[in-house]
Amino acid sequence: EAQVTQNPRYLITVTGKKLTVTCSQNMNHEYMSWYRQDPGLGLRQIYYSMNVEVTDKGDVPEGYKVSRKEKRNFPLILESPSPNQTSLYFCASSLWGTYNSPLHFGNGTRLTVT
Amino acid sequence: AQSVTQLDSQVPVFEEAPVELRCNYSSSVSVYLFWYVQYPNQGLQLLLKYLSGSTLVESINGFEAEFNKSQTSFHLRKPSVHISDTAEYFCAVSLNTGNQFYFGTGTSLTVIP
Repeated sequence: EAQVTQNPRYLITVTGKKLTVTCSQNMNHEYMSWYRQDPGLGLRQIYYSMNVEVTDKGDVPEGYKVSRKEKRNFPLILESPSPNQTSLYFCASSLWGTYNSPLHFGNGTRLTVT
Repeated sequence: AQSVTQLDSQVPVFEEAPVELRCNYSSSVSVYLFWYVQYPNQGLQLLLKYLSGSTLVESINGFEAEFNKSQTSFHLRKPSVHISDTAEYFCAVSLNTGNQFYFGTGTSLTVIP
């Protein structure tokens, strides 16, 4: 089954403790992206990647890191999480970029930073 | 700058009544337009898309949206809603010159029995 898999689904952590949210897709998609969803703000893009070893900042990259060492994986790293990063995070992928290639989303990771 | 505006944050509607969810965008270049639906505790799923050609596009579950270039709108409509349509709906724009999607803030559709 074609899918985008995120782990974990739920994560509670404390301020400053490094964490990684994994994302993997099995559709051989070139493009991958991370979003955060907050009430009243919709989805905002954190980082995206057009291909292996190619990553770019989205609209809200501060406090986040990503890497794209393999085509299928695109982990999101929070080196020192803070409470304002409490949010619902989505990973998404598309075939070759967003021009006319719709995004496929994972089921989300709900992160709480205390 | 690009932006997507969904004018209604919440839309309650009775079962079998029609509904329209509004979406306006601003862009100085050509765009591709999408509606995504998010059911509780799930990720977003593509509902329908406008890339080119006919300005009226339809989904398999009875929704339709019309691209209006002069009004920069892409409103979503359904003539008769079902309980199962209760969900969050997001309008999104992708530019033909960039690599990003821009999402609206979402409209929560609640269908009342």
